[in-house]
Order: sequence, then C-alpha cells, then structure tokens
Amino acid sequence: NAGVMQNPRHLVRRRGQEARLRCSPMKGHSHVYWYRQLPEEGLKFMVYLQKENIIDESGMPKERFSAEFPKEGPSILRIQQVVRGDSAAYFCASSPPGGGAHTGELFFGEGSRLTVL
Amino acid sequence: KQEVTQIPAALSVPEGENLVLNCSFTDSAIYNLQWFRQDPGKGLTSLLLIQSSQREQTSGRLNASLDKSSGRSTLYIAASQPGDSATYLCAVRPKDSNYQLIWGAGTKLIIKP
Repeated sequence: NAGVMQNPRHLVRRRGQEARLRCSPMKGHSHVYWYRQLPEEGLKFMVYLQKENIIDESGMPKERFSAEFPKEGPSILRIQQVVRGDSAAYFCASSPPGGGAHTGELFFGEGSRLTVL
Repeated sequence: KQEVTQIPAALSVPEGENLVLNCSFTDSAIYNLQWFRQDPGKGLTSLLLIQSSQREQTSGRLNASLDKSSGRSTLYIAASQPGDSATYLCAVRPKDSNYQLIWGAGTKLIIKP
C-alpha cells in the first residue's frame, strides 16, 4: 500500500526550459493538492484537483503554471519557461473522498525539488 | 488575511530535555490546527490535529494545545531524543475553506546527544 509517490525527486532545469512534476496519489484517493515550499518558508497552496477537474487553482501563478489530474495516470504540475524564482520544493498531497484538511486525512509525498540554473 | 508564525525559527537543546514549540495565528476563525514533522529531503508527516472545539491532543511524548481566542498553539515534546530532530510545521485550516491550509515557516529542532 504505497504512499503518495512523486517523481522526479530532483530536477534541474535551465532558464526557459519546461519542468513536469508528477504525483501519484495513494490508492483510493481521488483528491490531489499541490504545494510549493520556498527555502526557509512554509508551504503555499497552489492547486486542488479531483479526477479530471480543477477545483481551486487560486494559489497558482496565472502564467507558465498549469496542473492536471487525468482520469488515468498521475497528476502533473507543469511549469513552462522556468525562471530562477521557480526553484523550490513542490509537494503533492492526497486525500480520500470526504477526507482532507478538515479530517487530517492528508498524506504528503516526499516532494520534488526543482533547481533552475 | 490569516498569517501563521512560528517562533523560534531554530532550536537546539540537549537530549532528555522537555521543550515547547510555539505557533501563533492572526485570525481565530479556524476549523482546526495541525502539527507536522518534516525531515530533510522528505515529505511531511502529520503529528497531531486539534479541532477548534478542543484544547489539546496527545500522542506519546507529544502534546499539542490550542488557545483559539489568543491565536496560539504549543507543541510540547517530553524527554527529547536525537530522533526528534526535524523541522516542525504548524498549519491552520481557515473556517472559510474545506481544504486549504495556511502554514507557518517551521521551527528547525536539533536534539544534541
């Protein structure tokens, strides 16, 4: 019964390239959340998705960032034309239907650390 | 706008000591507060969840308290061990959201053997 799986764990990109981060939720979980953590800061909410639906993307920058959670396969956070300021740890969390922040049933992956050169 | 602050940013204590980590929040309209542990290069593990109607929660050597009216929570760690070394994050769920968490920047704890 694997936990939340994120890959790659580490990703290095040059400015202007694209970064794709993947998240496979825990088995039976249909809700996925993406958070960004800058060095020495707390996590910042980016986007909340359910299968094939974006529920809330209010924390995501309007440009260059997009997220999806298709019917089959992992959730993907895509950052186009990366800049140095995108360097951060990106965490994915999943919850079962009915679970989440209100029940504490929120399970985190180990994060993907993006470095932009 | 809800803001969460954790003081101190870093703490180093000898093994065996009892210690307290602090978390404060600016808006008392919260649904719950949660303490997490983050190990270097790893994900986050939930330690304790306190609903707004509760005053404290305990798990083993950990005890978390919540004073909603004053906007404060503390995480008490008894008889600290080197394995407790990690960054401890607190997060609040605002009442106006079913899923969003507002996070503090964490306290980096080092327990010296």
